[in-house]
Amino acid sequence: GAGVSQSPSNKVTEKGKDVELRCDPISGHTALYWYRQSLGQGLEFLIYFQGNSAPDKSGLPSDRFSAERTGGSVSTLTIQRTQQEDSAVYLCASSHRLYEQYFGPGTRLTVT
Amino acid sequence: ILNVEQSPQSLHVQEGDSTNFTCSFPSSNFYALHWYRWETAKSPEALFVMTLNGDEKKKGRISATLNTKEGYSYLYIKGSQPEDSATYLCALKAAGNKLTFGGGTRVLVKP
Repeated sequence: GAGVSQSPSNKVTEKGKDVELRCDPISGHTALYWYRQSLGQGLEFLIYFQGNSAPDKSGLPSDRFSAERTGGSVSTLTIQRTQQEDSAVYLCASSHRLYEQYFGPGTRLTVT
Repeated sequence: ILNVEQSPQSLHVQEGDSTNFTCSFPSSNFYALHWYRWETAKSPEALFVMTLNGDEKKKGRISATLNTKEGYSYLYIKGSQPEDSATYLCALKAAGNKLTFGGGTRVLVKP
């Protein structure tokens, strides 16, 4: 079956611009996660959605970052007024409740 | 903030040799421990989800053990092959559902 998909695969943007990253989880997965990996760093948790519960936003690094998940499926991560330190690979993952997570291919964001 | 540590950060293994490395984590509020393999230019791939103290799981030449009382898990690779080269990540699921990842162990298998 179809896995987790993310778009775009690559995004180059100028400092100060807003960007939107999209994640399509596996159908039927109730949990959706956003992570990022900055150069030389490990996976950093950003935000977690579980069903209709309020999202866990504890990993968002600043108020320039926000995410929403519409209809319990597709999610969009928005970064406003991008900074160079936002450059990273942004990974989305979905899971069925508390089981293993399935990761998408990621979006490589470069802020120039 | 949960502290999940992996050691070593990297290791080189000769093809055919076996190896193992460690993930340590706080044992309180433990729910599950995940292991993932992350190959360069690919997405992390789930290897194991372990929940019970004393659990041992195996997938091919890769196996893992879990000690929740002392807060560690070992991942073993038997008879390493070049295709085993990857970063191996462990992640702790405690109360609150999100995963806290360790920094990974980067394994390079030399032919």
